[in-house]
Amino acid sequence: DTAVSQTPKYLVTQMGNDKSIKCEQNLGHDTMYWYKQDSKKFLKIMFSYNNKELIINETVPNRFSPKSPDKAHLNLHINSLELGDSAVYFCASSQDLFFGNTRTEAFFGQGTRLTVV
Amino acid sequence: QKEVEQDPGPLSVPEGAIVSLNCTYSNSAFQYFMWYRQYSRKGPELLMYTYSSGNKEDGRFTAQVDKSSKYISLFIRDSQPSDSATYLCAMSAYLPGAQKLVFGQGTRLTINP
Repeated sequence: DTAVSQTPKYLVTQMGNDKSIKCEQNLGHDTMYWYKQDSKKFLKIMFSYNNKELIINETVPNRFSPKSPDKAHLNLHINSLELGDSAVYFCASSQDLFFGNTRTEAFFGQGTRLTVV
Repeated sequence: QKEVEQDPGPLSVPEGAIVSLNCTYSNSAFQYFMWYRQYSRKGPELLMYTYSSGNKEDGRFTAQVDKSSKYISLFIRDSQPSDSATYLCAMSAYLPGAQKLVFGQGTRLTINP
């Protein structure tokens, strides 16, 4: 029973294409995130949503557009893909926004490995 | 300068050794400190959580926070090959609109049988 699932797991595409990554969590959490992990394993937040409301947009190019149709889903659409977008994208969720609460552990999906050629 | 600095390694030690992993940070507002473990081709999973300064122990793992030095550590005793993974420190501050985890780069650790 996967808590945070994202599809696809692997995505290879050409420059200039538009692609989407889907994420679903079955934990009943209010908050969801997209993180990007580069080739050096550096994990950086891109967006966070709380109850479908955008909370954090971390100076991500506007080619990246997250969409949260409901609390359990947060999808990521990327337009006009560039070589530099190649990375592993992780979806995560937490019970609420506040990481100081011991309940608030971030659960990560298995990642989507995006390769732009 | 990154908000959180972590030596990426790689670090390779024999089975049974004590492992010390460290991070330094620059943002004095950070109050909550975590260690995540990431196995190859998997998502990170929470290993340890600490609030403010002090130590926390969980089995073979001990997390230490020294806020005065802006330095956190994770110690692994009696290391096992199954501990081989990338260890990421993460921290957060209680600030409105800034509820996010800031990660270090991760240290790749290999325990050799």
